[in-house]
Amino acid sequence: NAGVTQTPKFQVLKTGQSMTLQCAQDMNHNSMYWYRQDPGMGLRLIYYSASEGTTDKGEVPNGYNVSRLNKREFSLRLESAAPSQTSVYFCASSEPRGPYGYTFGSGTRLTVV
Amino acid sequence: EDKVVQSPLSLVVHEGDTVTLNCSYEVTNFRSLLWYKQEKKAPTFLFMLTSSGIEKKSGRLSSILDKKELSSILNITATQTGDSAIYLCARDTGTASKLTFGTGTRLQVTL
Repeated sequence: NAGVTQTPKFQVLKTGQSMTLQCAQDMNHNSMYWYRQDPGMGLRLIYYSASEGTTDKGEVPNGYNVSRLNKREFSLRLESAAPSQTSVYFCASSEPRGPYGYTFGSGTRLTVV
Repeated sequence: EDKVVQSPLSLVVHEGDTVTLNCSYEVTNFRSLLWYKQEKKAPTFLFMLTSSGIEKKSGRLSSILDKKELSSILNITATQTGDSAIYLCARDTGTASKLTFGTGTRLQVTL
């Protein structure tokens, strides 16, 4: 089925460890996004990529880096995880000015201890 | 600040009731307002609203945008237990289609 695939689904890290969250979409969308969702905070934009080869900071970029590897793939890296980064992470893609908004991945639940 | 505010934060209703969820935003220049339903996992798309006063409808769900009041409502009639979810509102300014989300309304429908 066409859509957005995120891996892993669950991860527990120790403070200071690093990891990369992977995201791939097969809908030929130009734009991709990384959000985090925390209780009572809604979804907050971490980074986005409007098109292949470009990335920009969102609302909460500190402690994260991203790579738009190609049109399909957009990865999120935590270089030195902190407990404040415990959250559910969603990747999404869209076609700018498309009629259906975002398509979301199924999410990654990350716990930093 | 560029906020999207949803109310109420949570709501418990009985099956068959009608509910109205509210969303307001603080900027006047946007491209669209979107509604999503989130159950256990990822949000799923419900509506995209671009024009004021035009109702969008899908089954028992409907939504309308008021650009003058900078707000939108989502109505659910004859609620069912399957409507239990978090309903998210988001604003698209048109800049790379970035969405700013509200905190959501948690709806619980009981028998």
